[in-house]
Amino acid sequence: AQSVSQHNHHVILSEAASLELGCNYSYGGTVNLFWYVQYPGQHLQLLLKYFSGDPLVKGIKGFEAEFIKSKFSFNLRKPSVQWSDTAEYFCAVNAPPGGYQKVTFGTGTKLQVIP
Amino acid sequence: DGGITQSPKYLFRKEGQNVTLSCEQNLNHDAMYWYRQDPGQGLRLIYYSQIVNDFQKGDIAEGYSVSREKKESFPLTVTSAQKNPTAFYLCASTSGPGELFFGEGSRLTVL
Repeated sequence: AQSVSQHNHHVILSEAASLELGCNYSYGGTVNLFWYVQYPGQHLQLLLKYFSGDPLVKGIKGFEAEFIKSKFSFNLRKPSVQWSDTAEYFCAVNAPPGGYQKVTFGTGTKLQVIP
Repeated sequence: DGGITQSPKYLFRKEGQNVTLSCEQNLNHDAMYWYRQDPGQGLRLIYYSQIVNDFQKGDIAEGYSVSREKKESFPLTVTSAQKNPTAFYLCASTSGPGELFFGEGSRLTVL
C-alpha cells in the first residue's frame, strides 16, 4: 500500500532562515505528489503538486519541492521563511496501488516561525 | 461562491449514539472524501467516492458508514461501533487526481 513519511514533526525557525521539510513515499512506480498547507484557523489548501516532467516544482508563496525518484523523496523548500509561513504542512501521494483517486497523507510537520 | 460546506462545525455526542456529519459541494466534482485528523497522526482516509452510488473504504473505515445518493452530497455516519470517535473530520472533493478541495471541518466530541 502507498504510504508517506514526514520525519520532522515540529520545526522552529527564525524569520529569514531557510526551510526544508522532508517527505518520503513508499511506492516505486509512477506517483503523483503533493504538499498541502493548513494555516491556523484555515482549511487545508494545495501548496504545490508534481505529476510528471521537471522534478523541481514551484508552488505558491515562494515554496518549491524537488522530486528525487531514486530517493523516493519530495522535500519542500523555501529559501527565506516569514512569520506568515507558520502553519502545518502535509505531504501527500496517490499511486496505482490505491488507485489515482486514493490520496494518502503524511503525519504533518508543524512549522513555527519566530519573528 | 463554489466550495465545500460541512455541518455542523461542532458536535457533541453521548457514547452509544450514532451521529451524521454533512458534506455538500457545489464544485461539480465527481470524487469526494472523508478524512479524520488527529494530532500527530495527520489525515487518515475513512471513505471515498468516485461517483454517485459508489464508494470505497479507506484505511480506517471501521465504525463509519457513508452514502452517495447525489453528486453534491457525501454524508458520514459515525456509529457507536467506532471506538474512539472524538476527532476532527474533514470532507474534500476533487475533479482530478489528488488535487483536493477541503471543507472547514467538523469537530466531534464524545462525552
